[in-house]
Amino acid sequence: DAGVTQSPTHLIKTRGQQVTLRCSPKSGHDTVSWYQQALGQGPQFIFQYYEEEERQRGNFPDRFSGHQFPNYSSELNVNALLLGDSALYLCASSLFRRSTDTQYFGPGTRLTVL
Amino acid sequence: TQLLEQSPQFLSIQEGENLTVYCNSSSVFSSLQWYRQEPGEGPVLLVTVVTGGEVKKLKRLTFQFGDARKDSSLHITAAQPGDTGLYLCAGYNSGTYKYIFGTGTRLKVLA
Repeated sequence: DAGVTQSPTHLIKTRGQQVTLRCSPKSGHDTVSWYQQALGQGPQFIFQYYEEEERQRGNFPDRFSGHQFPNYSSELNVNALLLGDSALYLCASSLFRRSTDTQYFGPGTRLTVL
Repeated sequence: TQLLEQSPQFLSIQEGENLTVYCNSSSVFSSLQWYRQEPGEGPVLLVTVVTGGEVKKLKRLTFQFGDARKDSSLHITAAQPGDTGLYLCAGYNSGTYKYIFGTGTRLKVLA
């Protein structure tokens, strides 16, 4: 049973560029959430996708956008990269249940913006 | 805004010692998860607690969810160097579908 996978593992970009990160959820999961984790801090929620729509969003600018495909995989796009966007980007998947939920994380993509 | 505060932030102990990490909020959560994270890797799920007052054990780790579902604790008995890592709690709000992560506790167990 494959867990959550993310690609690429590492990425180096320069300011102003755009980046796309990819995530495949754990088998049987239908919900994907994206997080940004700066060094030494806990993950910060970016947004969540369910049924190919953005269901919930954290306090991130519109430069951060996403997509979920019919096979439940997801992409995170960041435009006009800033130095402060350098972080570990984590994808987490879950099977939606109204009352409770458990997320499983992928290994993350380390983004460095120069 | 829901917040989860963890304490302590840092903990350095000798092998064999016991420790407790706390996760506190003024908000009620539908469920709460504990994760351990190694540097440069994604968090690995340790446990999910759902019912107020629930206690779950995972070998030397004991997790408790507060009666009011606002707080949780993680107790490690006879810590080992392999327990070293960043421990994160995350509360789930079923009304907003959001997870709120705690600030994290960085544990170092010295041999």
